[in-house]
Amino acid sequence: NAGVMQNPRHLVRRRGQEARLRCSPMKGHSHVYWYRQLPEEGLKFMVYLQKENIIDESGMPKERFSAEFPKEGPSILRIQQVVRGDSAAYFCASSPGTSGRMHSEQFFGPGTRLTVL
Amino acid sequence: LAKTTQPISMDSYEGQEVNITCSHNNIATNDYITWYQQFPSQGPRFIIQGYKTKVTNEVASLFIPADRKSSTLSLPRVSLSDTAVYYCLVGDSSNAGKSTFGDGTTLTVKP
Repeated sequence: NAGVMQNPRHLVRRRGQEARLRCSPMKGHSHVYWYRQLPEEGLKFMVYLQKENIIDESGMPKERFSAEFPKEGPSILRIQQVVRGDSAAYFCASSPGTSGRMHSEQFFGPGTRLTVL
Repeated sequence: LAKTTQPISMDSYEGQEVNITCSHNNIATNDYITWYQQFPSQGPRFIIQGYKTKVTNEVASLFIPADRKSSTLSLPRVSLSDTAVYYCLVGDSSNAGKSTFGDGTTLTVKP
């Protein structure tokens, strides 16, 4: 049973280019979360998606960032016109959904390390 | 969302028991307390979750006092491989997407 998969693991972009990060959730999981982690800092929530729906994007920068989780295929985090400040590790997590009232355990992928030159 | 406060770092030695306390004074009635562990260059990994009193699994124990304004993650007999960052989260299914990891506690286990 494969875990959460993210690709690429490392991505280098020049300022102004686009970055596309992919996340394949665990089999049977319909909830996907994206987080950003700067060096020496904790994870910052970006967006929470279910199939074809954005549930909560309160952590997403208003410009240049977008996310989708289509009916078929992986979830995509897209960063347009990247700047040096976008350099970070981007983690995706998936969960099977809500377990009643409980916080549903999130299973994390290995992350994509984005470097903007 | 309830804000959590943890020590920035802790040091320990192999074989010792380590207790990491998290404060969450504004915890809501429906909130659960969840702890994650993160090794360098890896995504976080779920350790344990609880609502009140004590929860124990094969990895750790979680102690939650009656007022639930704090919780303590207890790691028995730590080894060098337990060196990691430990995050305390507070929330429920309605705000799962906003679970904030904060800066966590960096635990360093020394030989």
